[in-house]
Amino acid sequence: GDSVTQMEGPVTLSEEACLTINCTYTATGYPSLFWYVQYPGEGLQLLLKATKADDKGSNKGFEATYRKETTSFHLEKGSVQVSDSAVYFCALEAAGNNRKLIWGLGTSLAVNP
Amino acid sequence: EAGVAQSPRYKIIEKRQSVAFWCNPISGHATLYWYQQILGQGPKLLIQFQNNGVVDDSQLPKDRFSAERLKGVDSTLKIQPAKLEDSAVYLCASSLDTIYEQYFGPGTRLTVT
Repeated sequence: GDSVTQMEGPVTLSEEACLTINCTYTATGYPSLFWYVQYPGEGLQLLLKATKADDKGSNKGFEATYRKETTSFHLEKGSVQVSDSAVYFCALEAAGNNRKLIWGLGTSLAVNP
Repeated sequence: EAGVAQSPRYKIIEKRQSVAFWCNPISGHATLYWYQQILGQGPKLLIQFQNNGVVDDSQLPKDRFSAERLKGVDSTLKIQPAKLEDSAVYLCASSLDTIYEQYFGPGTRLTVT
């Protein structure tokens, strides 16, 4: 079945460091891919998405490119801030009429000043 | 626009007790989801409603969990009786329809002792 694998955390970085959180997927068809973020004490928020191969999603300085050849959707940011500390989830939306989300386990990011 | 509301935010109960969670989705959203998020894992879909009908409840432990969405708006999720392994955050999400972005509430953190 469809699945998402993302790198384990926690990830600890200093402010202004570069961030990459790896995400790979297994799916039939052509799923849409998402990154969600969960700030402490808050609900999940959609950070960015891509709906087809070679699409690049971007938001708040974060980017991720839908790579069909490597079945990956890695999250990147060139310079992280303390306010980026959160848990990041990669997810795919299975193709079909019922767009069920399949989730990774989440990667915790802590950014130190 | 008001977001997805959930209550209570926190609940502590003893095993074998019952508990209920409430969710008020974004106005006009036809699709409502309940997820269970165990610490260190991604969300697991428990049940999906389309208006007041059930679309997917394949992962709902029906011997102890029940959910309803009367009048196609608010929803309640009940656990009776609770087990220790039910300790988790219960997330409610809603979307305009099944093919649109899901918006998440802040969640209810349940601790079963």
